Amino acid sequence: DAGITQSPRHKVTETGTPVTLRCHQTENHRYMYWYRQDPGHGLRLIHYSYGVKDTDKGEVSDGYSVSRSKTEDFLLTLESATSSQTSVYFCASGQASTDTQYFGPGTRLTVL
Amino acid sequence: KQEVTQIPAALSVPEGENLVLNCSFTDSAIYNLQWFRQDPGKGLTSLLLIQSSQREQTSGRLNASLDKSSGRSTLYIAASQPGDSATYLCARFYNNNDMRFGAGTRLTVKP
Repeated sequence: DAGITQSPRHKVTETGTPVTLRCHQTENHRYMYWYRQDPGHGLRLIHYSYGVKDTDKGEVSDGYSVSRSKTEDFLLTLESATSSQTSVYFCASGQASTDTQYFGPGTRLTVL
Repeated sequence: KQEVTQIPAALSVPEGENLVLNCSFTDSAIYNLQWFRQDPGKGLTSLLLIQSSQREQTSGRLNASLDKSSGRSTLYIAASQPGDSATYLCARFYNNNDMRFGAGTRLTVKP
C-alpha cells in the first residue's frame, strides 16, 4: 500500500471555527487530492495539487482552501466551518494525473 | 456535468457466483476509467485502471471492460467469496485533474 496518512482521523468542532486537515505521503507523488464523501453524492473533488505551491479548484471548492509547501504534505483548511461541511474527507496521491490514485484512510469531520 | 451511474446500488449473492457490476457515464471523451473497492470505514483501494485506448484489464478474479462508444464499463467478479463483500466504486477520469465517481454498488457475498 502507498504510504498515505491523514490526521486527525476524527474531529468534532463547532460552527465558525477554523479546521485544518493534514495529508502526508511518502511516495514522492507529484499529484495530491482532497475529496469529500457524502451519502448520495459519492466522492467529490475539493482541490488538487500538481506540485509544490501549485494547486487548483475541484468541483466543490467553496469554503475550502489548500496549501502544499512540501511534496509530501497537503493541507486542507476550512476557514470557518459550517454544518454542511460535516463529511468524511479523503486525501489521495498519484505520480501522474492519468495514473492510479492511492487513498488515505479518511478523516471524519463533524461540525456542530 | 459529467455523471457516473452505477447499477445496482446493492447486490447480495451466494458464495461462488460470478457477478457483473455496471458503470455508465455520459461522455465518451475520457482519459481512463478506474474501479475501486471500499471497505466500511476505510479508504479506497484501486482495483483496475483502464486507459481510454484499452478495452479491458484483468487482475486475478477481476475483469473490467470499457466501451467508450456506449459510455459503459463493467466489472466482472468470478467465483465470488465472502471476502469480496465491500462497496465497489467506478470513477471516470474527466479532464486533466478531475475524477467523477459513481455512488457505488454495495456487494454482499453470503457464505
